[in-house]
Amino acid sequence: GQNIDQPTEMTATEGAIVQINCTYQTSGFNGLFWYQQHAGEAPTFLSYNVLDGLEEKGRFSSFLSRSKGYSYLLLKELQMKDSASYLCAVMDSNYQLIWGAGTKLIIKP
Amino acid sequence: GAVVSQHPSWVICKSGTSVKIECRSLDFQATTMFWYRQFPKQSLMLMATSNEGSKATYEQGVEKDKFLINHASLTLSTLTVTSAHPEDSSFYICSARDNQRDHNEQFFGPGTRLTVL
Repeated sequence: GQNIDQPTEMTATEGAIVQINCTYQTSGFNGLFWYQQHAGEAPTFLSYNVLDGLEEKGRFSSFLSRSKGYSYLLLKELQMKDSASYLCAVMDSNYQLIWGAGTKLIIKP
Repeated sequence: GAVVSQHPSWVICKSGTSVKIECRSLDFQATTMFWYRQFPKQSLMLMATSNEGSKATYEQGVEKDKFLINHASLTLSTLTVTSAHPEDSSFYICSARDNQRDHNEQFFGPGTRLTVL
């Protein structure tokens, strides 16, 4: 079966760095997405990885290792507004997104 | 670019009535749109894939006669919840795939919160 695993909840301090991990087992692989979702709102796109390595975009970076079925989202210089759920999703061989349950990130002052 | 709108943003209805939710891609054409449902503190659950000009593909366990999907144009898909019941209360989110982009990114609408009394 297809499976995406990520931690349920994480807590970090404002100004610090946090890494959210995601492991996956899917039927085929056409890329991995990270989305941010604030409570009561729809997800917004953060990053896309299809090749191994690190993609950096401002304070956010995303890493992929296809051989390990592993990705992480790295958030630097945390701000209170970064408190949200972070969803890992893999696009399978049918170009369908398989979603993780999301990681709720709590930022403390 | 790549904006997706949903209407209405929220709706409250009586049990037994039908509710229609619209999903529009405002600045791109989307041959494929997706309908998701999300219960509180849970992940997105794909309900169906909507293809322009053809029948929608429903996920296992989703009743096609209860959740009617019509993708009549390249910019509009509608989801109708027929004979809604309180257990249908949820956050319904649509997304549209921009085929012109390299990695088939899905863009999400703002969601529709449905409450059935």
